[in-house]
Amino acid sequence: GAVVSQHPSRVICKSGTSVKIECRSLDFQATTMFWYRQFPKQSLMLMATSNEGSKATYEQGVEKDKFLINHASLTLSTLTVTSAHPEDSSFYICSARSPQGTQPQHFGDGTRLSIL
Amino acid sequence: QKEVEQDPGPLSVPEGAIVSLNCTYSNSAFQYFMWYRQYSRKGPELLMYTYSSGNKEDGRFTAQVDKSSKYISLFIRDSQPSDSATYLCAMKLGIQGAQKLVFGQGTRLTINP
Repeated sequence: GAVVSQHPSRVICKSGTSVKIECRSLDFQATTMFWYRQFPKQSLMLMATSNEGSKATYEQGVEKDKFLINHASLTLSTLTVTSAHPEDSSFYICSARSPQGTQPQHFGDGTRLSIL
Repeated sequence: QKEVEQDPGPLSVPEGAIVSLNCTYSNSAFQYFMWYRQYSRKGPELLMYTYSSGNKEDGRFTAQVDKSSKYISLFIRDSQPSDSATYLCAMKLGIQGAQKLVFGQGTRLTINP
């Protein structure tokens, strides 16, 4: 069964709206979660690494003020797309990994965001 | 040059065929290698996870890692229409290294009944 839950799965909203996406690890505590963006027929692009209790680490070219990340607990990280515009429309996917360094990442089912 | 190269396909084979999917990489420090399967509009699902060189088998799936050649493979035996998906290879440095995964572009696979 799923070990990472992502919500909502689909969002359609008007330009200028802020959208919050939640990522939960279901049966383990995740000190680190990852947020990815995926364009059609392309691979996953890492946006940021979310660390519980500290600031997220953003990849080069990703706007921190645009994509706000909060990792307030060991099982929940949120990504907020602020003042979203049509160019922010994409498939956003989170992943989580157990604290044991040898374990792989497990992914949520993604959130399809469409900004009108 | 990309760190991880993967032929995007598309690859189309008849049901029952053996499928071979491959990735090459340039960073010899990668130690952990993964294959994910992604259905349309879904997140990636972990299929195989291997450490260092060698083979690993799980049902109809076999993962191979050849670190000397910087080459990894995923074999699917007795392929089924339900195997139709995009397959992504991914890899990362050792435990003490960076945590983030480096993905290949993904290969779109279609199994024809």
